[in-house]
Amino acid sequence: EAQVTQNPRYLITVTGKKLTVTCSQNMNHEYMSWYRQDPGLGLRQIYYSMNVEVTDKGDVPEGYKVSRKEKRNFPLILESPSPNQTSLYFCASSLWTGANEKLFFGSGTQLSVL
Amino acid sequence: ILNVEQSPQSLHVQEGDSTNFTCSFPSSNFYALHWYRWETAKSPEALFVMTLNGDEKKKGRISATLNTKEGYSYLYIKGSQPEDSATYLCAPDRNNNDMRFGAGTRLTVKP
Repeated sequence: EAQVTQNPRYLITVTGKKLTVTCSQNMNHEYMSWYRQDPGLGLRQIYYSMNVEVTDKGDVPEGYKVSRKEKRNFPLILESPSPNQTSLYFCASSLWTGANEKLFFGSGTQLSVL
Repeated sequence: ILNVEQSPQSLHVQEGDSTNFTCSFPSSNFYALHWYRWETAKSPEALFVMTLNGDEKKKGRISATLNTKEGYSYLYIKGSQPEDSATYLCAPDRNNNDMRFGAGTRLTVKP
């Protein structure tokens, strides 16, 4: 089944404790992206990747890191989480953004930083 | 920053009613317009990707139109059903992956 797999679904952590949210897609998509969703705001892009070893900042990259060492995986890393990073996070992928391809989303990660 | 506005923010309708909502965006450098449907506790799912001025797309009881010159898109739902209850997100895409999501319209359909 074609899908974007994101883990974990729920995560509670404390300020400053490094964490990684994993994202993997099995559709051979070039493009992958991370978003956060906060009440009253649209999905805001954190980072995106056009292909392996190519990553770029989105609108809200501060406090986050990503890597794209393999085509299928695009982990989101919070080196030192802070309470303002409490949010709902989505990973998404598409064949290639330039081809007007729709995004496929993961199931989301609800992160709480205490 | 690409300013995307969706209206209304929320909408309550009765089962069987038809409804529509709006996505407004800057018309410059337009590339594509995406609509997504996001049910509570699930992931957003693509409804339409539209590129041409005057484009109309339809999927069952849901349809969308696009005006790239004036920078807006309408989403219509005919004969709303409770299962249509969701947040509807639009995302205009400009060149080179400059894609921004609106805050969404939250639709509730009462039986």
